[in-house]
Amino acid sequence: DTEVTQTPKHLVMGMTNKKSLKCEQHMGHRAMYWYKQKAKKPPELMFVYSYEKLSINESVPSRFSPECPNSSLLNLHLHALQPEDSALYLCASSRGPGQSSYGYTFGSGTRLTVV
Amino acid sequence: DAKTTQPPSMDCAEGRAANLPCNHSTISGNEYVYWYRQIHSQGPQYIIHGLKNNETNEMASLIITEDRKSSTLILPHATLRDTAVYYCIVVIAGKLIFGQGTTLQVKP
Repeated sequence: DTEVTQTPKHLVMGMTNKKSLKCEQHMGHRAMYWYKQKAKKPPELMFVYSYEKLSINESVPSRFSPECPNSSLLNLHLHALQPEDSALYLCASSRGPGQSSYGYTFGSGTRLTVV
Repeated sequence: DAKTTQPPSMDCAEGRAANLPCNHSTISGNEYVYWYRQIHSQGPQYIIHGLKNNETNEMASLIITEDRKSSTLILPHATLRDTAVYYCIVVIAGKLIFGQGTTLQVKP
């Protein structure tokens, strides 16, 4: 299995809702990432998990809450989002932190719309 | 932080080679250069990466200058399906930080 699977593919939520995005990989990768991509812009790094621990938070608002329950799974919990948070949310994984010679695999993303 | 500079857009005729340049003049000695592409809101697709030497795989070739301040991605025979945004990325402390990318339009 050489894929990163993200669910759901599309999500519409109200500003008072709580929802979660899910990311899964079975490549034995020990680093996982969340990116946010607005239309016609490059992906922006949000969080990095290394060995199931949060290692980097790129000053992301607390209405985004990441979680890494195990080495294969990464969640992004969403609460009280704003319409400007509407974007494509991408998950990625890599073999491990600091092992940048081995490549990064991206999922196909979750298209989030906040209404 | 090392950053990359790419032309915002390029055109290429179908069947011809596409040469996409990238400047990364502040790159450090142990920082890899990666190339990804993204086709219309899909997830970024890995193309190739390198440190110092030129690299080739089934998709493309990567030419890195000797001083490592710039590189060129070469798609040897571009097809219409290669139309995408191409990102040149320098990995810093394990973080893949995207630049603005080049929109490559392959034309019949």
